[in-house]
Amino acid sequence: AQSVAQPEDQVNVAEGNPLTVKCTYSVSGNPYLFWYVQYPNRGLQFLLKYITGDNLVKGSYGFEAEFNKSQTSFHLKKPSALVSDSALYFCAVRERAAGNKLTFGGGTRVLVKP
Amino acid sequence: EAGVTQSPTHLIKTRGQQATLRCSPISGHTSVYWYQQALGLGLQFLLWYDEGEERNRGNFPPRFSGRQFPNYSSELNVNALELEDSALYLCASSFQDRGIGELFFGEGSRLTVL
Repeated sequence: AQSVAQPEDQVNVAEGNPLTVKCTYSVSGNPYLFWYVQYPNRGLQFLLKYITGDNLVKGSYGFEAEFNKSQTSFHLKKPSALVSDSALYFCAVRERAAGNKLTFGGGTRVLVKP
Repeated sequence: EAGVTQSPTHLIKTRGQQATLRCSPISGHTSVYWYQQALGLGLQFLLWYDEGEERNRGNFPPRFSGRQFPNYSSELNVNALELEDSALYLCASSFQDRGIGELFFGEGSRLTVL
């Protein structure tokens, strides 16, 4: 079965500093990977996806993610974090033979302090 | 363009009752996915509907059921409610035949079982 893991429950970072949220994956075949963000009491918002091609994927709100096949990782990054980036971040992998069904990691809470 | 809409926003029920949650996908999307987000448990896949048919089901008991209507909207029914069914229920939609697409989520329906 496809799966993703987010090893950190919470990440704390000062405003203006780089932000990294970690994700590792376990899939058979080519991975299709996604990042979503969830603000309090809201649904999930799509940030970016990796299907194929360049290992550095650029997404919404200044976020990017680096696909690393040898390390089976897909870390989310932002060069300069904002207080408004404080939210819950989910990494996800697309399941095979299940449409666009996604399996999500446990989530990482990001707290950006002024 | 309207996003995924869910109703009701909040629902309070007592143990043993039934709950019905509704979802309208983005216009043109034929697939609807339901997820449960219980406190501390992350996002758990419930059901996937496409073209009116149930295509895939997560590891939930049969008292979780649903359907998809000809206009692609969907309904999730939870029978014989238990306290642990308290959660945010998220609906997502996507195209089915346009490659590897992301899911678009609604704001969710928060179910509280007393």
